[in-house]
Amino acid sequence: SYELTQPPSVSVSPGQTVSITCSGQQLDNKNINWYKQKPGQAPTLVIYQNNMRPSESPERFTGSNSGKTATLTISGTQAMDEADYFCQAWDMYTWVFGGGTKLTVL
Amino acid sequence: EVQLVESGGGLVQPGGSLRLSCTASGFDFNKYSMGWVRQAPGKGLEWVANIEPDGNNKFSGDAVRGRFTISRDNAKNSLYLQMNSLRDEDTSVYFCARYNYDDYVAFDVWGQGTLVTVS
Repeated sequence: SYELTQPPSVSVSPGQTVSITCSGQQLDNKNINWYKQKPGQAPTLVIYQNNMRPSESPERFTGSNSGKTATLTISGTQAMDEADYFCQAWDMYTWVFGGGTKLTVL
Repeated sequence: EVQLVESGGGLVQPGGSLRLSCTASGFDFNKYSMGWVRQAPGKGLEWVANIEPDGNNKFSGDAVRGRFTISRDNAKNSLYLQMNSLRDEDTSVYFCARYNYDDYVAFDVWGQGTLVTVS
């Protein structure tokens, strides 16, 4: 079965830029979505189709997909960005989530 | 306001059954695929099942195939998950989510979740 791998945790200082990676096989033919989840809340979509941002998602969130690694980048990180982030892809009629990355804003 | 509200969670013994419901409002329910995603305590998100707008095509993950059944009633704006032969490892918060093929090809609206405890 298809798998997506994320680092368990990442930390960043307020105002700095942070990147969260998502790796998997044949990422170059997949569209990667990114979700943000705060404790006790439902996930929200922050990036879709690798690098597109919903209107509700702040401009400081950007995404990319190099074919080997998909990356969520947060520029000018704010305290409110502290959350768990999950990548997600579709593969052969299954919807796969990465294990999640806990972002800590120190 | 676009909204999804889950119900039906609770405590059930191993081997038991439970039916979750999700009521949608604020959008044309019959035009969207829908899905269930679960999250075990302290763990990540795990896709459970999806169903297409007309209910004819259904897909489920390996961990639940043969035990869980997704269905929908478009006249009632409702999504369901029938869970049979429940196991300890099915203990999770179950989220209902809209899968938006047209705009995002992603889960773009989520409910707040309902907790299922198998013990």
